Formats: sequence, structure tokens, C-alpha cells
Amino acid sequence: AQRVTQPEKLLSVFKGAPVELKCNYSYSGSPELFWYVQYSRQRLQLLLRHISRESIKGFTADLNKGETSFHLKKPFAQEEDSAMYYCALRDTGGFKTIFGAGTRLFVKA
Amino acid sequence: GAVVSQHPSRVICKSGTSVKIECRSLDFQATTMFWYRQFPKQSLMLMATSNEGSKATYEQGVEKDKFLINHASLTLSTLTVTSAHPEDSSFYICSAVVWRGSTDTQYFGPGTRLTVL
Repeated sequence: AQRVTQPEKLLSVFKGAPVELKCNYSYSGSPELFWYVQYSRQRLQLLLRHISRESIKGFTADLNKGETSFHLKKPFAQEEDSAMYYCALRDTGGFKTIFGAGTRLFVKA
Repeated sequence: GAVVSQHPSRVICKSGTSVKIECRSLDFQATTMFWYRQFPKQSLMLMATSNEGSKATYEQGVEKDKFLINHASLTLSTLTVTSAHPEDSSFYICSAVVWRGSTDTQYFGPGTRLTVL
């Protein structure tokens, strides 16, 4: 069965510290992986996708098929990074997206 | 970027009544839209895929007769919660797909909070 697991509901770090939001997935095909972010009082928006291999707002995520993980990382967290982060999975070529439970990142000054 | 709007942003209704929620793509045409629901402190759960000009595809466990979806135009999809009950109270979010070249991106609406008394 398709599943996206984000083991941490809340992650609190100090400003300037590295941050890693964990995401593991279960999927029998060839998935596309995404990270979405929701800032306070804003709508959900795409942060990055694994096929783009890009860095957005200093965040990167590498798809590790061996470990079925897609952890989101940033070397130096900023206060404005505080938000809810959702890892999501989609069947390649398909539309249906499965979301993880989300991790709330709180960056302390 | 593409903008998706939802109306209303919040609605309170009595048990047994029907509620219609609109999802519009403001500056683009969307052949495919999605409807999600989100319970407090939980993730988004896909309810159905709405395709312009055809019947919606519902996820397992979602009652199609209770959650009526109509995608009559390329810019509008509606979700009608029929005979609403308190357990239908939730946050309903729609999204629309935008294609740029070979890459598609989901843009989300701001959500509609439904409270059924």
C-alpha cells in the first residue's frame, strides 16, 4: 500500500542550526516525491520535488530509493522557515497524491 | 503563479442541509482538480479527482452520493455535501493542476471550513 510517514509531528530548532525533516515512503512502483509547505495563515504550496533536484529557500531533499526516504534538509534554519511541512508521494505519470501527516517546524530565535 | 480560490471560506450549517463549496482557477484553465479534506491536526486526505466534462473519480471510502462533485467548466469545480452531519465538519481543500511543458504543479485553494451543527 502507498504510505508516506513523517515520524516527527513537531521539530524545534534554534536559528542557524541545521534542520532535517524526515520522510519515509512505501510504494511498489516508481514514485515522484514532493515537499509541500504551509506557512501560518497561508495555503499549501509546493516547496520542491525530487525530479527537479533543486534547492528552494536553502532546502534540499534527496530521494534515497534504498532507504525509501526523502528527507528535507537545510544547513542553517531561519525563523521564517517556521511552518508546517508535508511530504507527499505520487505515482509517476499519475495525479493522485498521498500526503504524510506533516511536521511542524519551529525555528527559535 | 496560478491562483485557486474557494468560496465560501467558512460555512456553518444545520444538520441535514446541503452545502456547496466552489473551487475556481482564476487565471488558468484546469482540466483536473482535486478535493481533499483535512481533520484537525491531520494530513490532507484525497476525496476525489474532478475532471472537466466527466464524472469524478472517488477514493475508496468516500460516498459519491454524499459528496457530489461537478466540474462543469475549465475554471470551476463544485463540491456539494448533501444532508450534512456533524461528522462532516472538516476543512475542505481543492487543488488544480497546471502544466508547464512536461511538468505539472498542483496549486491549492485556501480551504473551506465546514461546521455542521
